[in-house]
Amino acid sequence: KAGVTQTPRYLIKTRGQQVTLSCSPISGHRSVSWYQQTPGQGLQFLFEYFSETQRNKGNFPGRFSGRQFSNSRSEMNVSTLELGDSALYLCASSLEGGSSPLHFGNGTRLTVT
Amino acid sequence: SQKIEQNSEALNIQEGKTATLTCNYTNYSPAYLQWYRQDPGRGPVFLLLIRENEKEKRKERLKVTFDTTLKQSLFHITASQPADSATYLCALASSGAGSYQLTFGKGTKLSVIP
Repeated sequence: KAGVTQTPRYLIKTRGQQVTLSCSPISGHRSVSWYQQTPGQGLQFLFEYFSETQRNKGNFPGRFSGRQFSNSRSEMNVSTLELGDSALYLCASSLEGGSSPLHFGNGTRLTVT
Repeated sequence: SQKIEQNSEALNIQEGKTATLTCNYTNYSPAYLQWYRQDPGRGPVFLLLIRENEKEKRKERLKVTFDTTLKQSLFHITASQPADSATYLCALASSGAGSYQLTFGKGTKLSVIP
């Protein structure tokens, strides 16, 4: 079974631009979560989607948004990029969410200059 | 405020010894707790899950305990090997609007010295 695939692997953007990151979950997994990882803050929860609906949301500004498609693939968008948005963005899928273990992709490394 | 603390940022241990990592939390009533391993440049990998009504879980050389009175989980790796060197993350599940939300600690970087 293929794992969670995130594209692109690396991305360099300038302040003020917007970016879209993509995530393909494991086949059959309906829950997709997004996390931001930085050295100072660790892994921070952005949001979770389940069957195309946002089920949970972390404490991030509205510049961070996401969506999930009918095939469970997910995208997250960050608008008006700031230097502090530089981070590793991780997507994780699970069967149903809840207590199901998360299966992470290897992330997209975003650098904002 | 809610807080998850993992005992130290880094832990060095001699090969063959037992590594013990600690995860303490405050102002949570977690339904369950998970442990993950993360290697550099990779996403975390799930290791073990333990529920609030379970005291201990084992998987091969790994053991996790969960003490809801002390608000603490211990993660043990017995007969540690250099290949066990990685960052280990604990994650607590609390109920969100529609399901559980996992909150991660910042991790402990374990180095097993040959």
